[in-house]
Amino acid sequence: EAQVTQNPRYLITVTGKKLTVTCSQNMNHEYMSWYRQDPGLGLRQIYYSMNVEVTDKGDVPEGYKVSRKEKRNFPLILESPSPNQTSLYFCASSVGGHNSYEQYFGPGTRLTVT
Amino acid sequence: SQQGEEDPQALSIQEGENATMNCSYKTSINNLQWYRQNSGRGLVHLILIRSNEREKHSGRLRVTLDTSKKSSSLLITASRAADTASYFCATGSPSFMFSGGYNKLIFGAGTRLAVHP
Repeated sequence: EAQVTQNPRYLITVTGKKLTVTCSQNMNHEYMSWYRQDPGLGLRQIYYSMNVEVTDKGDVPEGYKVSRKEKRNFPLILESPSPNQTSLYFCASSVGGHNSYEQYFGPGTRLTVT
Repeated sequence: SQQGEEDPQALSIQEGENATMNCSYKTSINNLQWYRQNSGRGLVHLILIRSNEREKHSGRLRVTLDTSKKSSSLLITASRAADTASYFCATGSPSFMFSGGYNKLIFGAGTRLAVHP
């Protein structure tokens, strides 16, 4: 089944404790992206990757890192999480980076930073 | 930067009624997409309409696009309780709008639809 998977689905952590949220897709998509969703703000893009070893900042990259060493995986790293990073996070992928492609979303990771 | 803005923010209807949601945007686009999100879950793509199209259908969904008014509408006909979800529009703008040549897909804040049995 074609899908985007994320782990963990739920995470409660404390300020400053490094964490990684994994994202994997099995559709051989070139483009992958991370979003955060906050009430009233819609989805805001954090980082995106056009292909292996090609990443760039989205609209809200501060406090986040990503890497794309393999085509299928695109982990999101929070080196020193803070409470303002409490949010619902989504990974997405599409065939290409052009915005005329539909995006496939993972199920989401709900992160709480205390 | 938020491009699309959905209206209304929330909509409550009875099963069998039609639901109409609107999306307005500010800058030129080359396409507009609608997505659905069940509570707390990932978004699912519904339909894409290009800037040179005025109307598109998919099952019970009808999407219109008026580029002169910079607006789009999503109509769900004969709604069902299972249509209860949040609906988001996402706009894609021409590459010259953004540096780096990457065409962003920008999401609005969504319309929460509740369909009551």
